[in-house]
Amino acid sequence: GEDVEQSLFLSVREGDSSVINCTYTDSSSTYLYWYKQEPGAGLQLLTYIFSNMDMKQDQRLTVLLNKKDKHLSLRIADTQTGDSAIYFCAESFSGNTGKLIFGQGTTLQVKP
Amino acid sequence: EAQVTQNPRYLITVTGKKLTVTCSQNMNHEYMSWYRQDPGLGLRQIYYSMNVEVTDKGDVPEGYKVSRKEKRNFPLILESPSPNQTSLYFCASTGGTINSPLHFGNGTRLTVT
Repeated sequence: GEDVEQSLFLSVREGDSSVINCTYTDSSSTYLYWYKQEPGAGLQLLTYIFSNMDMKQDQRLTVLLNKKDKHLSLRIADTQTGDSAIYFCAESFSGNTGKLIFGQGTTLQVKP
Repeated sequence: EAQVTQNPRYLITVTGKKLTVTCSQNMNHEYMSWYRQDPGLGLRQIYYSMNVEVTDKGDVPEGYKVSRKEKRNFPLILESPSPNQTSLYFCASTGGTINSPLHFGNGTRLTVT
């Protein structure tokens, strides 16, 4: 079945790079997403990658997709305290538009 | 401003007392859904709707009902809430194309005692 796994916690120092990892089991996914959740707020879409791409860069964010290993990562360059949040990876499938399978979320703590 | 609006933000109730959480979107989206978020489990889909009068079960539908009488509204109904439905609930909508991202509401934190 569909399953998405993430580590639960990551702590980095301000200015360092953060790498949040995600693995998934279903290779038929069409898009893979990264969402950010700040305290008391809903989920904000950060970026997404089509499943036939290897990499996508958007300012400080770099998404890497290894389809063979079913591994997705989000790299945040020059991490700031405002990046502290929970980050969710999610996958979607062509047969059910709008449904996403989410990972458990990774809490990113950025220390000054 | 394009948004998904949920109400209330916080709700405390007792077991068995029927409640409704409202959700409204102003983007003319066809697809709407409800998720619940629990620690260590991420978000799980409860119900979804692909258009007016079309609803279907997600992964965890037990104990919930929904309706979609109008395109913009998608209320979540708990006929007889139980403590295991204590959770953070999110409504979401999308235009329905494959690369149209989900827009989320700000969440409703429900506590059932």
